[in-house]
Amino acid sequence: EDQVTQSPEALRLQEGESSSLNCSYTVSGLRGLFWYRQDPGKGPEFLFTLYSAGEEKEKERLKATLTKKESFLHITAPKPEDSATYLCAVLRHSGGSNYKLTFGKGTLLTVNP
Amino acid sequence: NAGVMQNPRHLVRRRGQEARLRCSPMKGHSHVYWYRQLPEEGLKFMVYLQKENIIDESGMPKERFSAEFPKEGPSILRIQQVVRGDSAAYFCASSRGQGYSYNEQFFGPGTRLTVL
Repeated sequence: EDQVTQSPEALRLQEGESSSLNCSYTVSGLRGLFWYRQDPGKGPEFLFTLYSAGEEKEKERLKATLTKKESFLHITAPKPEDSATYLCAVLRHSGGSNYKLTFGKGTLLTVNP
Repeated sequence: NAGVMQNPRHLVRRRGQEARLRCSPMKGHSHVYWYRQLPEEGLKFMVYLQKENIIDESGMPKERFSAEFPKEGPSILRIQQVVRGDSAAYFCASSRGQGYSYNEQFFGPGTRLTVL
């Protein structure tokens, strides 16, 4: 069974204090790894897709990287508006033309001014 | 608004009633997914649909739950005879298809179901 583990569960940073969130996974036949941001009371907002080990993607203060067993979401000089829950999900082929996403429980990031 | 739309945003039902949740996918998207999110838990896949077809319902409870995506109109997630354990946030997502880059799922704002 696919497993996605995110750590830490919660992270509190001061504004400008860079850090990284981790997503480790066990999946047979990874077809992609997704990062989402979720604000309280809202739906997940798509951030990145990574398809192969070694791939990196950047968006403003966020950079996502992927290895064969884990992904990191690096946050450089965060601001209070970066506070949210960050979700990681793995995509695998589950037969025919069907692909399935499995989510981790997320990391709750709080950035204090 | 070109995003995924869900309604209602909040739904309150008494035990034994029916709940109907609606989802309109993004323009140009023909694949719809439903997920359930409980407090302190991750998003759990329920069902994947294309127009007039259920592709994968492996995450959906066998009883009381059903889903459809008709040729015309929104996708519907239906929960019959609701129980307190059905209280959760239900999210709909849509994608252009399946396959490289087409798998990117975009989520709606969710429907928060409360069962009294």
